[in-house]
Amino acid sequence: DAGITQSPRHKVTETGTPVTLRCHQTENHRYMYWYRQDPGHGLRLIHYSYGVKDTDKGEVSDGYSVSRSKTEDFLLTLESATSSQTSVYFCAISEGRMGNQPQHFGDGTRLSIL
Amino acid sequence: AQSVTQPDIHITVSEGASLELRCNYSYGATPYLFWYVQSPGQGLQLLLKYFSGDTLVQGIKGFEAEFKRSQSSFNLRKPSVHWSDAAEYFCAVGARGNKLVFGAGTILRVKS
Repeated sequence: DAGITQSPRHKVTETGTPVTLRCHQTENHRYMYWYRQDPGHGLRLIHYSYGVKDTDKGEVSDGYSVSRSKTEDFLLTLESATSSQTSVYFCAISEGRMGNQPQHFGDGTRLSIL
Repeated sequence: AQSVTQPDIHITVSEGASLELRCNYSYGATPYLFWYVQSPGQGLQLLLKYFSGDTLVQGIKGFEAEFKRSQSSFNLRKPSVHWSDAAEYFCAVGARGNKLVFGAGTILRVKS
């Protein structure tokens, strides 16, 4: 299995608070991704990174920001959490560019915003 | 832009029976196609992928999928289902430089 660790695995917080999720990889892959998974929607891309300090938006990026200061770490931040951001968040990594390389996934973070 | 449709939200099969999960995609050129499986509380695991060449691809856990360009389909099959195959299955389509787009998933239930 790909070495991907997401932390925390579960989190409950209140509306309006900031939240940061961490993804750590040991594979030295260039590309990293954050997805959210909601029933009936499959996985939707929030943000992705194609190198240290290089990031770009996905299809559901509003309300989220990311940072990547080291190859192995990709952080997802909700500056002011809302109930609509209650979801399961997955980090993924790949060696090559998004569409033409398999992505490998972490075990997810279940985030509940009350 | 590419899109993926998995027409079946739920499928129930008996243990030992054959399985086919449907996936239809929309993309103007030859796509890259993937099937993933997700067990409860876990991340997605890659079952198989199609990039080019032979249209019948073999994956892990005894799964296979066939790419049919004329039907824009990439259906997943298994000749004999085991109880441990109960999970959610996602089809995904990507293109060079573009995003990887996932279908909404199909939940497989296996009855004994």
